Amino acid sequence: GQSLEQPSEVTAVEGAIVQINCTYQTSGFYGLSWYQQHDGGAPTFLSYNALDGLEETGRFSSFLSRSDSYGYLLLQELQMKDSASYFCAVMFSGGYNKLIFGAGTRLAVHP
Amino acid sequence: NAGVTQTPKFQVLKTGQSMTLQCAQDMNHNSMYWYRQDPGMGLRLIYYSASEGTTDKGEVPNGYNVSRLNKREFSLRLESAAPSQTSVYFCASSGGQPLDEQYFGPGTRLTVT
Repeated sequence: GQSLEQPSEVTAVEGAIVQINCTYQTSGFYGLSWYQQHDGGAPTFLSYNALDGLEETGRFSSFLSRSDSYGYLLLQELQMKDSASYFCAVMFSGGYNKLIFGAGTRLAVHP
Repeated sequence: NAGVTQTPKFQVLKTGQSMTLQCAQDMNHNSMYWYRQDPGMGLRLIYYSASEGTTDKGEVPNGYNVSRLNKREFSLRLESAAPSQTSVYFCASSGGQPLDEQYFGPGTRLTVT
């Protein structure tokens, strides 16, 4: 089967840096992606990693280590609008895009 | 370009009633998905359709049926609603390749009493 683990809650202050970790156990692993969801809203795509290493997209970066079955999302220069839930999701090989999501990490950014 | 649309936005059912949740996308995507989201449990895949004419079970298919009506539309049916199906339901679509991002609709908030 598949399982993902990520912290349930993280708290940080504006302007700080926060890292949200994700560990996974799965077969047929293709890559790891991250989604953001504000309260009452729909999930929106942030990034993905299919290869080991760091991918940077503006203030957000995502990292993957396939050998450690581990990844993280790094948020820099935190803003109040970054308060949201963040989900890691495992992508599977097999010719189609099927995702299994973690339970999510709720990030609270304080002034 | 509306992206992914879902109807209805809210619904209250009594136990045993049936209903169909509608989803449509205008991005010419091959793959479509239905998820449910319960508090503290993230998104769980109910059914998906890798391409028009095909559907497959996800993690939690029991109590649901789906129809991929055409490339644009993918509906989810609850034949006999149960309180355990109270949840927020999201439809999503993607190009279908492993690295394609999924685009989500605004969700349907369903309560079964």
